[in-house]
Amino acid sequence: SQQGEEDPQALSIQEGENATMNCSYKTSINNLQWYRQNSGRGLVHLILIRSNEREKHSGRLRVTLDTSKKSSSLLITASRAADTASYFCAYGSSNSGYALNFGKGTSLLVTP
Amino acid sequence: DAGVIQSPRHEVTEMGQEVTLRCKPISGHNSLFWYRQTMMRGLELLIYFNNNVPIDDSGMPEDRFSAKMPNASFSTLKIQPSEPRDSAVYFCASRGGGNYNEQFFGPGTRLTVL
Repeated sequence: SQQGEEDPQALSIQEGENATMNCSYKTSINNLQWYRQNSGRGLVHLILIRSNEREKHSGRLRVTLDTSKKSSSLLITASRAADTASYFCAYGSSNSGYALNFGKGTSLLVTP
Repeated sequence: DAGVIQSPRHEVTEMGQEVTLRCKPISGHNSLFWYRQTMMRGLELLIYFNNNVPIDDSGMPEDRFSAKMPNASFSTLKIQPSEPRDSAVYFCASRGGGNYNEQFFGPGTRLTVL
């Protein structure tokens, strides 16, 4: 399977703390993307990092990419209860015909 | 723009019945994807289209599943006959511009086959 792997599978923190999720993948990639899914909803795109980038920021989100280790991390700073959701990494490559491969996600619970 | 539209949002049917799921992509997007999500298998790509042409249907579980995209604004995923193991949430997503751009997901159809 070319699916990415996120860890941890589940993460529980308190509001104000930082949440870090990791993603590993198996092939060469063009970019890596992170998505969020609230319960009962579709996935929403959060951020995209290209293979020639090492770090990217968007608001309280920070994404890193290490292509030598085939891994990425998503950091959510100063978490809020509204950040409670599942987070997925996804990557595309010419090997996959430009379709995205999604991991199984990290379930984040932020308690007040 | 209304985003990706899927219908129905919920479908409950009996084993053996035909099920048709519908998707309207975002106007101007040229790629459309069908996914299935279950607790056990996560999010699986079933099939995707570029400019209305199926590019990769290797994720379609078996011949009971078929998908069509007769025009740029409409796609269907059909299951005939349906089985209990087909119970899942089915998502449609669309993408515009380049091959590596982000995908926009619809709200999903929750299918229950009894």
